[in-house]
Amino acid sequence: AQKITQTQPGMFVQEKEAVTLDCTYDTSDPSYGLFWYKQPSSGEMIFLIYQGSYDQQNATEGRYSLNFQKARKSANLVISASQLGDSAMYFCAMREGWGKSTFGDGTTLTVKP
Amino acid sequence: DSGVTQTPKHLITATGQRVTLRCSPRSGDLSVYWYQQSLDQGLQFLIQYYNGEERAKGNILERFSAQQFPDLHSELNLSSLELGDSALYFCASSVREGQETQYFGPGTRLLVL
Repeated sequence: AQKITQTQPGMFVQEKEAVTLDCTYDTSDPSYGLFWYKQPSSGEMIFLIYQGSYDQQNATEGRYSLNFQKARKSANLVISASQLGDSAMYFCAMREGWGKSTFGDGTTLTVKP
Repeated sequence: DSGVTQTPKHLITATGQRVTLRCSPRSGDLSVYWYQQSLDQGLQFLIQYYNGEERAKGNILERFSAQQFPDLHSELNLSSLELGDSALYFCASSVREGQETQYFGPGTRLLVL
């Protein structure tokens, strides 16, 4: 079974609008971390936001927020006020235990002017 | 710039050959992680080291090996290369292990001909 599922291969959003990228995960470990990364066409992986499984509040980092719904095992990324530079591939990832990380297949976001 | 450096940036080699990829973590980071990103397999976790010791293993082939040296830099050795080993290899580092944020290097793009 997929541990990380990103159901949207591609998404479009109008500049200045908000967009939600979906991510669901599967684990039986009570302690885990959830991450979102951005990969522009240049190839580098840029850390965006982190949510720990025991965190009570949803994580926020500037225009990025993580909508963490533990019971539903979802960790959606919300990007507010989209910019053209947000066009990239976005990966959801989960770390269980000490090190093993699992990444989703990614969502390609295109911001339209 | 994440502070993680990887060399070389690009590598072209032939099947059957052996190559070494090098990674220097961010200053102060003790954990190093290696990932492989290919079109057909997506982003796969290979192996993690913490302060010189192997801590977690993912989908790493027996032809591949890695180590972390006393100065905390790490090397990933790929031998008996096959066409399918062509991929982008990322190194990431974090301060400790556990659900820590990982910062990725720019990657080494390997092409096996």
